[in-house]
Amino acid sequence: QKEVEQNSGPLSVPEGAIASLNCTYSDRVSQSFFWYRQYSGKSPELIMSIYSNGDKEDGRFTAQLNKASQYVSLLIRDSQPSDSATYLCAVRRGGSYIPTFGRGTSLIVHP
Amino acid sequence: DTEVTQTPKHLVMGMTNKKSLKCEQHMGHRAMYWYKQKAKKPPELMFVYSYEKLSINESVPSRFSPECPNSSLLNLHLHALQPEDSALYLCASSQDVVLAGGQETQYFGPGTRLLVL
Repeated sequence: QKEVEQNSGPLSVPEGAIASLNCTYSDRVSQSFFWYRQYSGKSPELIMSIYSNGDKEDGRFTAQLNKASQYVSLLIRDSQPSDSATYLCAVRRGGSYIPTFGRGTSLIVHP
Repeated sequence: DTEVTQTPKHLVMGMTNKKSLKCEQHMGHRAMYWYKQKAKKPPELMFVYSYEKLSINESVPSRFSPECPNSSLLNLHLHALQPEDSALYLCASSQDVVLAGGQETQYFGPGTRLLVL
């Protein structure tokens, strides 16, 4: 069974700190990895995608992928209260266009 | 333009009503999806259309009936729903075919908040 695991949180960090969100997956043939941000009552918004081992940076966001260990993480530098949301990890296996979602991690950035 | 639109934004219906949710995208995507999301849960896949044909039905009750009139539109027809069907209904789209590197992305619409009384 394909599973994507995330700690539900909440993860609480002070403003300006680095928030680290983690995701593990069980399907070894997974090839595509996505992080979505979802504010309460709103739809998921894609913030990062990563396909190769290593780091990918976009502004304050860095996605890290380690296929050997089957985990993907999202780092948010200089966290802001506006980053407070649920972060969904989604994983897609090779040859499929259907992602599997984790349960999401709730992030709270307090002033 | 990476926009998926959904109407209505909010819907309240009784258990005997018939209503429809609508979704539209103009990105040339050939895969369109319906998801159901309850509070504090991840999106739960309901249906997938690929090239306007239903390719996945995740054992959804028949009171939900999807329709894909053309490559840009996706409808979800609702009939005789139950209060437990109250949720956020999300439409999404993607390129569908697995491109080189698998770098196609799924985009979500804003959702329809449904309340069944």
